Amino acid sequence: GENVEQHPSTLSVQEGDSAVIKCTYSDSASNYFPWYKQELGKGPQLIIDIRSNVGEKKDQRIAVTLNKTAKHFSLHITETQPEDSAVYFCAASIGSSNTGKLIFGQGTTLQVKP
Amino acid sequence: EAQVTQNPRYLITVTGKKLTVTCSQNMNHEYMSWYRQDPGLGLRQIYYSMNVEVTDKGDVPEGYKVSRKEKRNFPLILESPSPNQTSLYFCASSALDTQYFGPGTRLTVL
Repeated sequence: GENVEQHPSTLSVQEGDSAVIKCTYSDSASNYFPWYKQELGKGPQLIIDIRSNVGEKKDQRIAVTLNKTAKHFSLHITETQPEDSAVYFCAASIGSSNTGKLIFGQGTTLQVKP
Repeated sequence: EAQVTQNPRYLITVTGKKLTVTCSQNMNHEYMSWYRQDPGLGLRQIYYSMNVEVTDKGDVPEGYKVSRKEKRNFPLILESPSPNQTSLYFCASSALDTQYFGPGTRLTVL
């Protein structure tokens, strides 16, 4: 079946450094790639997403890049802050985005040390 | 306030005792899903629904049932829970692709 691989599983950085999380996907029909942040005791929340017709998207300190040929996409967080500490999930649509179905990566626990 | 609500938030039960976890959304979304979250495995889809009376299996449907009689509600039913269903469960809804998650239900089956 289709799957999404996410690396690393844990990431520890110093405050102010950058953090990068990478995902690869298997379904060549996927065209929607969201990233979710999950804080302790809460449900995942969308932080940024990208569609297959663009290669990069930025929102303040967060950026996502997509390489459709290689079937991988990455989350970049610059100038990390302690409040960025959380679990991050990547996801890919199963088929095109209008199916309403997503497959998620295994998650990355990011720790930002003050 | 736009939100997805789940109840209960915490539940401890025993093997074989039927239970229902409710999920409700107030955003008039067509799509709703149930996921389970386990360490190292991420979020895995159990069932999803594209609209009222339309449901389909996700990746891990065994041992679960769902129903979608109203657009806003999507309950998850465990007819005979087993210890391997101990997990953190999330309900989500979406209009198309961006999914909005509930706060989660932590279920322990003894």
